[in-house]
Amino acid sequence: DAKTTQPPSMDCAEGRAANLPCNHSTISGNEYVYWYRQIHSQGPQYIIHGLKNNETNEMASLIITEDRKSSTLILPHATLRDTAVYYCIVRVHSGGSNYKLTFGKGTLLTVNP
Amino acid sequence: DSGVTQTPKHLITATGQRVTLRCSPRSGDLSVYWYQQSLDQGLQFLIQYYNGEERAKGNILERFSAQQFPDLHSELNLSSLELGDSALYFCASSVARGFSGNTIYFGEGSWLTVV
Repeated sequence: DAKTTQPPSMDCAEGRAANLPCNHSTISGNEYVYWYRQIHSQGPQYIIHGLKNNETNEMASLIITEDRKSSTLILPHATLRDTAVYYCIVRVHSGGSNYKLTFGKGTLLTVNP
Repeated sequence: DSGVTQTPKHLITATGQRVTLRCSPRSGDLSVYWYQQSLDQGLQFLIQYYNGEERAKGNILERFSAQQFPDLHSELNLSSLELGDSALYFCASSVARGFSGNTIYFGEGSWLTVV
């Protein structure tokens, strides 16, 4: 099973880049890393996912280290609306050919004015 | 809007009762997932269905059951409710059945309060 480790909280100034780290040292070679965020009891919102290469979309960038043991989610210009809990997730084997996405405690990102 | 629809949004019921939460997945999605989020436990995976069949099971209590119907909507049945079942229940959906690069999208949840 691959598990992730994230800092419990981070602060970021509005307009600056927010860099959220995640360790997943036990990830296996074919496992994707997913990032979601949850804004105060709303449904978790998909942000981005990646396997080996860095990925970018309209919300964020994902930088995955070459050994794939860690990754960083980058919000290039954080706004107050980006204040949320950010989850870094890899799938967990749940028996046979079945897997599940298990959420940890995530990182509470607070964007300050 | 993720395209995943959950009803009801809020529900208050008494201990010992039974409730049914409903989920309509995004158009074209075959997999449905149920998660429970309580204050002290975070997001807990309960169960997944793919095209009507159970695919993966998490920390789902025996008092809880789920099913996915031929039109792909899903229902989560919670019975003999206890105070500790008070939580936010999320449904999510995806096109495929696994997580190899497959994205899942969450609904806005159903708030269940057991009194």
